[in-house]
Amino acid sequence: RKEVEQDPGPFNVPEGATVAFNCTYSNSASQSFFWYRQDCRKEPKLLMSVYSSGNEDGRFTAQLNRASQYISLLIRDSKLSDSATYLCVVSNYQLIWGAGTKLIIKP
Amino acid sequence: DAMVIQNPRYQVTQFGKPVTLSCSQTLNHNVMYWYQQKSSQAPKLLFHYYDKDFNNEADTPDNFQSRRPNTSFCFLDIRSPGLGDAAMYLCATSRVGSGISYNEQFFGPGTRLTVL
Repeated sequence: RKEVEQDPGPFNVPEGATVAFNCTYSNSASQSFFWYRQDCRKEPKLLMSVYSSGNEDGRFTAQLNRASQYISLLIRDSKLSDSATYLCVVSNYQLIWGAGTKLIIKP
Repeated sequence: DAMVIQNPRYQVTQFGKPVTLSCSQTLNHNVMYWYQQKSSQAPKLLFHYYDKDFNNEADTPDNFQSRRPNTSFCFLDIRSPGLGDAAMYLCATSRVGSGISYNEQFFGPGTRLTVL
C-alpha cells in the first residue's frame, strides 16, 4: 500500500457543480496535511492547510478524518479555472506526496 | 515580493554532460528542497537542507549532488545526466522550527531539463 494514495482521475465535472476527492494516508502518526494545486507544466502551489477541525476558504473546504486516515477537499460552484491537478501532502517530519487527482471542469 | 527563483527555466544538455541548476530564495527560510517531477507523477524528493545539514533521500542516485553555500542559494548538480533524468526539477523552501514538523512549502517555477 502506498503511503499516500489519491484517485488519479480525471474527474470531469460540469461548471457550477460540486466535486470532492479524498486522499488516504497510512501513517497514523502524521501531523500535518496540505492540499496543493498544480497547473499543467507549472509548480505546485499551496491551496490549503488541513486542520483537525476542518477549514474553509471561499468555495474550498478541507477536512481531516484521523480515524479513517484520510483528508478530503470539496470544491463548490466549480469554475473553469479550477481545472488542475490537486496533490495532497502528509507529513510527520517527512513529507509524503500523493500523485495527484486531475480535475477537468467543462463548460 | 519574497519568492523562490530558479534558473534556468529550461535546460537542454547532452547525455553524460554535467549540468547545474540553481535556486535562490528571498524568504529567509531555513529549509530548502530539491524535487524531481516527471509527467503525471508526484514530486519526488531528492534531498533537502535543514540549515546547513544535508539530508539525502535513500533512493536518490549518486549522480545527483547538491550544494548550499549560504541561506539563500542552493544548487543541484547532475554529474552525468541520463535520458531518464529528463524531468522538471523543483526547488522549494519552508520555515521549520525546533520540534515542529515540516511546514508548508513554497515552490520555485521549476527547471525543465531535456537530455539529448
